[in-house]
Amino acid sequence: GAGVSQSPSNKVTEKGKDVELRCDPISGHTALYWYRQSLGQGLEFLIYFQGNSAPDKSGLPSDRFSAERTGGSVSTLTIQRTQQEDSAVYLCASSLEAGGLIYETQYFGPGTRLLVL
Amino acid sequence: SQQGEEDPQALSIQEGENATMNCSYKTSINNLQWYRQNSGRGLVHLILIRSNEREKHSGRLRVTLDTSKKSSSLLITASRAADTASYFCATDQGAQKLVFGQGTRLTINP
Repeated sequence: GAGVSQSPSNKVTEKGKDVELRCDPISGHTALYWYRQSLGQGLEFLIYFQGNSAPDKSGLPSDRFSAERTGGSVSTLTIQRTQQEDSAVYLCASSLEAGGLIYETQYFGPGTRLLVL
Repeated sequence: SQQGEEDPQALSIQEGENATMNCSYKTSINNLQWYRQNSGRGLVHLILIRSNEREKHSGRLRVTLDTSKKSSSLLITASRAADTASYFCATDQGAQKLVFGQGTRLTINP
């Protein structure tokens, strides 16, 4: 595709419900990243995929958060039993790999704005 | 903890003036990047400077890097209203993990 896409754009949910956020990276990008941005704050790294595997899950805030990637393309970030502090914009990014080298520049999607009531 | 810290947190200038934002970081890096974010949504990559580079230009953007001081600056010359956005520096921490600062909110007044 032309760029990274994310869905839904906005999600309002009740505390305790599960939510799934989707990311479609740029075609051919093997590296995929999830970040979280709370209101007025910088980006917080959550998880990184190389292909379908996640070498770095260090940023996931709790075991309520999980992510998967299938077919080396689409990724889903799942938040179980959502809490109000989970409210944030969730951003996905992808980057290109060529010749075994991952390019540093990350291309971001528009984000999913999650509000937990 | 945040690797990059931008300074100032907010900057308001008149159109046509130059805007300078600074970023400090704590650990050794391979590269430092600057991103722009409009309206709290997706980030747009502006420029990447490697640890062995001292200065880089891209259009109206000029980035400097001082690894001895662990700091970088982003200069936007001849600012325009469309430059109004938040600007973030990001440093690599291996395995393609970027660590972002809190950002500088830039407002260009017409």
